[in-house]
Amino acid sequence: KAGVTQTPRYLIKTRGQQVTLSCSPISGHRSVSWYQQTPGQGLQFLFEYFSETQRNKGNFPGRFSGRQFSNSRSEMNVSTLELGDSALYLCASSLEIGTNYGYTFGSGTRLTVV
Amino acid sequence: AQSVTQLGSHVSVSEGALVLLRCNYSSSVPPYLFWYVQYPNQGLQLLLKYTSAATLVKGINGFEAEFKKSETSFHLTKPSAHMSDAAEYFCAVSRVLSDKVIFGPGTSLSVIP
Repeated sequence: KAGVTQTPRYLIKTRGQQVTLSCSPISGHRSVSWYQQTPGQGLQFLFEYFSETQRNKGNFPGRFSGRQFSNSRSEMNVSTLELGDSALYLCASSLEIGTNYGYTFGSGTRLTVV
Repeated sequence: AQSVTQLGSHVSVSEGALVLLRCNYSSSVPPYLFWYVQYPNQGLQLLLKYTSAATLVKGINGFEAEFKKSETSFHLTKPSAHMSDAAEYFCAVSRVLSDKVIFGPGTSLSVIP
């Protein structure tokens, strides 16, 4: 059974550019959540999608957005990149919305903004 | 608002010694609690979860955690540390089904041969 797949694994972007990250959940999983991980702030919740609808949102500026497709695959977009956006972005999938199932995480996308 | 604190950003134990990683939570309602482990350059892996069933929860790799409501704690233990246990450990909490999961700052575990 394939795990959660995140692409690309590594990305280098210039300040001011935009970036799109992709996440393919485990087959059958319908909930996808995104987290930003940095050494200073730890794991910060970005948003959660279920059935193509955003169900929860963290405290990030509007430059951060996401969406989910009918096959449960998800993308997140960051526009007008800032140096502080450099981080490991983790995607997690779950069978259903509802956290008692627990998450399965992907290996993440390492974004570096220069 | 819910939150998670993990006492000790770094813990070192000798191989074969008891592992104890501390987690305290703040939640206005009975929580769901989780422990995850992260190895270098990888995502997080679920170790165990408490969802209001038994207070002593057994997880993978010999880890277990006990939910103590009176102490608002959910400490992670393992009787005998192995070199392969060296990793970052995260405690996490959510309040109700469909609520977002909040992660603690993490504890880095080192195992000394």
